[in-house]
Amino acid sequence: SQQGEEDPQALSIQEGENATMNCSYKTSINNLQWYRQNSGRGLVHLILIRSNEREKHSGRLRVTLDTSKKSSSLLITASRAADTASYFCATDSHQAGTALIFGKGTTLSVSS
Amino acid sequence: GAGVSQSPSNKVTEKGKDVELRCDPISGHTALYWYRQRLGQGLEFLIYFQGNSAPDKSGLPSDRFSAERTGESVSTLTIQRTQQEDSAVYLCASKTSGGMNNEQFFGPGTRLTVL
Repeated sequence: SQQGEEDPQALSIQEGENATMNCSYKTSINNLQWYRQNSGRGLVHLILIRSNEREKHSGRLRVTLDTSKKSSSLLITASRAADTASYFCATDSHQAGTALIFGKGTTLSVSS
Repeated sequence: GAGVSQSPSNKVTEKGKDVELRCDPISGHTALYWYRQRLGQGLEFLIYFQGNSAPDKSGLPSDRFSAERTGESVSTLTIQRTQQEDSAVYLCASKTSGGMNNEQFFGPGTRLTVL
């Protein structure tokens, strides 16, 4: 069953603009991760935020987590055409080894 | 090895035939996952292997689906009597065990088309 739900489903912006994607989930989590997928193939891990963290940065990425609202956001600053991809949030539970539960993703298009 | 590899990259088959998909995880990764991704959708968990423990098969959609893993190496996902609704990209991921980091490393996937 799907735990995470991203919105928007699709986002189109110009190069240089910021892109914000949101994710909501249903059950308590250990951590939340964001992945990127190009052309419907393998996923690449972007960033992980633990349940006791509120904000995390990695390069042009900024992730926030609000466990009281069961939501997270991914901000990509100064976007580039190469950022065009689908972005998924994924959550795990407190059980060790549990598979990640993915949302349906946000498709980001960045035009030059 | 550099990363998780999967083969074949594409598979076209006729309805009713059996298919076997292969995943080679990163060496030393004890955990291995299979996911299915239908067009425009998120990933659906299928099955999880951890070391020599019994696999978690809770995500397998029907008894036509099965998977095996030899020790901590290669895994094969078998779909018997394929149906058109089985068409999807099948993704494999591996990760190390223990610790708090649950990052999974994904292979490029196998795109299955059932005609």
